[in-house]
Amino acid sequence: QAHLVQSGAEVKKPGASVKVSCKASGYPFTSYAMHWVRQAPGQGLELMGWINTGTGKTKYTQKFQGRVTITRDTSASTAYMELSSLRSEDTALYFCARSGVIREVIYTFDVWGQGTMVTVSS
Amino acid sequence: EVVLTQSPGTLSLSPGERATLSCRASQSISSNFFAWYQQKPGQPPRLLIFGASNRAAGIPDRFSGSGSGTDFTLTISRLEPEDFAVYYCQQYGSSQTFGQGTKVEI
Repeated sequence: QAHLVQSGAEVKKPGASVKVSCKASGYPFTSYAMHWVRQAPGQGLELMGWINTGTGKTKYTQKFQGRVTITRDTSASTAYMELSSLRSEDTALYFCARSGVIREVIYTFDVWGQGTMVTVSS
Repeated sequence: EVVLTQSPGTLSLSPGERATLSCRASQSISSNFFAWYQQKPGQPPRLLIFGASNRAAGIPDRFSGSGSGTDFTLTISRLEPEDFAVYYCQQYGSSQTFGQGTKVEI
């Protein structure tokens, strides 16, 4: 059974960076893409970007270009999302989610991590 | 970028009633790449419908999806207490976007 487990909650000061991990189990890690989606308190879902875990190729939403870096460690079946230059508006619940991918075409997000709360406060 | 607009923002209904949720795309999209998700407080989203009308594994048949082009609908035939949640539409494929969500409340 496919499962994604994320790292724990983080509290960061403005200007700092945060790195969240997402460990996959129960399926061949490099056969699926991994996405990062965030949700500010009381708000909707916001796509940040994704990584083709097989090739390492990434694609970022324009809003986060230059501030987000998504990587993976295939030996550990783990994906990472690092967000830099944090500001208060980055306070949100961050999710990883798996999807099928064929030649850069993404399919549904069928397995989700439990979410990692990142709080940015001075 | 394809913008998805969901309506209504909030739907106030009672258990046993029928819920009809809409999602309109800013341009025509393939129904093969359209999905609905359900999210309850403190939980990640859960895939309900993919390919516009196909139920995901374990989803009860009171949930159904329809639509094509720019207009898509999620119908819950008879609301159960556990169905009160927020629902998001999504288009995927070569790009991905979510709608802003519809809250189904009692």
